[in-house]
Amino acid sequence: DAKTTQPTSMDCAEGRAANLPCNHSTISGNEYVYWYRQIHSQGPQYIIHGLKNNETNEMASLIITEDRKSSTLILPHATLRDTAVYYCIVGPLYNFNKFYFGSGTKLNVKP
Amino acid sequence: DTGVSQDPRHKITKRGQNVTFRCDPISEHNRLYWYRQTLGQGPEFLTYFQNEAQLEKSRLLSDRFSAERPKGSFSTLEIQRTEQGDSAMYLCASRLAGQRSYNSPLHFGNGTRLTVT
Repeated sequence: DAKTTQPTSMDCAEGRAANLPCNHSTISGNEYVYWYRQIHSQGPQYIIHGLKNNETNEMASLIITEDRKSSTLILPHATLRDTAVYYCIVGPLYNFNKFYFGSGTKLNVKP
Repeated sequence: DTGVSQDPRHKITKRGQNVTFRCDPISEHNRLYWYRQTLGQGPEFLTYFQNEAQLEKSRLLSDRFSAERPKGSFSTLEIQRTEQGDSAMYLCASRLAGQRSYNSPLHFGNGTRLTVT
């Protein structure tokens, strides 16, 4: 069952910030927002996750709205190697058997 | 950390044949997951293990599918009497879970792509 809505595709210029939106209006209080990405012919790669506070790591930043109904993944300086499908997933903390990946957003980083 | 390893990377088989895939998780990871991914879709959960115990199976895992993790390390996924609809990428993932352990996110392998002709 789809718990998130993401645009099918987005373009971003190399070196610019890539902002990937995700709507999750039915998120429950105990559900986290996770982001994974999948580069062609590889398995999904964990990026970041959060509950309600904004999070940042070496890969990206996650901004979650105050009502938690939407979030944005930010890649601050996109490179060609960031071209991938990005999945926004909501689910209980580390309960991966309940994850629904959906179809994700295909991010095309262009030179 | 050598990552999650899956073998083979590609498998082509004829309808009706049996196939078996292997997954070697990251060492010390006690949980192992199997997912299936069809073209243009995200991965779908099939089953997972805590050590050697299979704790949950998705309704997607028909009786032609069987998964094992006999010694709590590597795992195998077998599909009997393959059908064309079984053509997909089969992904394995692992993580470390436990009350006193760092709860790591899922680490995926690069999958086994099955083509049933």
